Amino acid sequence: NAGVTQTPKFRVLKTGQSMTLLCAQDMNHEYMYWYRQDPGMGLRLIHYSVGEGTTAKGEVPDGYNVSRLKKQNFLLGLESAAPSQTSVYFCASTWGGAGNQPQHFGDGTRLSIL
Amino acid sequence: AQTVTQSQPEMSVQEAETVTLSCTYDTSESDYYLFWYKQPPSRQMILVIRQEAYKQQNATENRFSVNFQKAAKSFSLKISDSQLGDAAMYFCAYRSPGSNTGKLIFGQGTTLQVKP
Repeated sequence: NAGVTQTPKFRVLKTGQSMTLLCAQDMNHEYMYWYRQDPGMGLRLIHYSVGEGTTAKGEVPDGYNVSRLKKQNFLLGLESAAPSQTSVYFCASTWGGAGNQPQHFGDGTRLSIL
Repeated sequence: AQTVTQSQPEMSVQEAETVTLSCTYDTSESDYYLFWYKQPPSRQMILVIRQEAYKQQNATENRFSVNFQKAAKSFSLKISDSQLGDAAMYFCAYRSPGSNTGKLIFGQGTTLQVKP
């Protein structure tokens, strides 16, 4: 099983450029999440989805957009990249929202904005 | 809103010895879930252990155990017989079942160094 796969693993962008990060899971999970990890701040939730066709804002949504057109995919977009968006991005998924099921994480994408 | 605090940015332990990582949280809820995740240099996020707040018994997974103090809102992780492969960043996380979103709230992380 691949689990949660993130593409790409590394990327360097110039300020103002746009890009899309792809997250794919093969576990038939309903819930999916995008986090960013910055030194000393842990992981912070950007956006999440509780099912196909749904999205919602997390703790730090500004400058990002997401889409969940297919259950297995969750896309994170940066329309106009800024240096403050330099970070490591993680996608995660889980069965449901109310129990003790853990979230399963991808391997992360290191994004640098110059 | 719930918050999670890990007050130890870095810890070190001698191989084969025991170390305890601290985590405190703030919540007004009585039912919730707590997790510890390990992030080695490979950057993977690996579930170490989980605890349901309604269970009084502390969770244990092999060399990993927790000390869950609900009244004190404390959830520390004890690693026994530390191994070189335990070197990683460890994150404590909180989940509220009430919102039914499955969102996790993470602490800032503790970097554990294991000395041979």
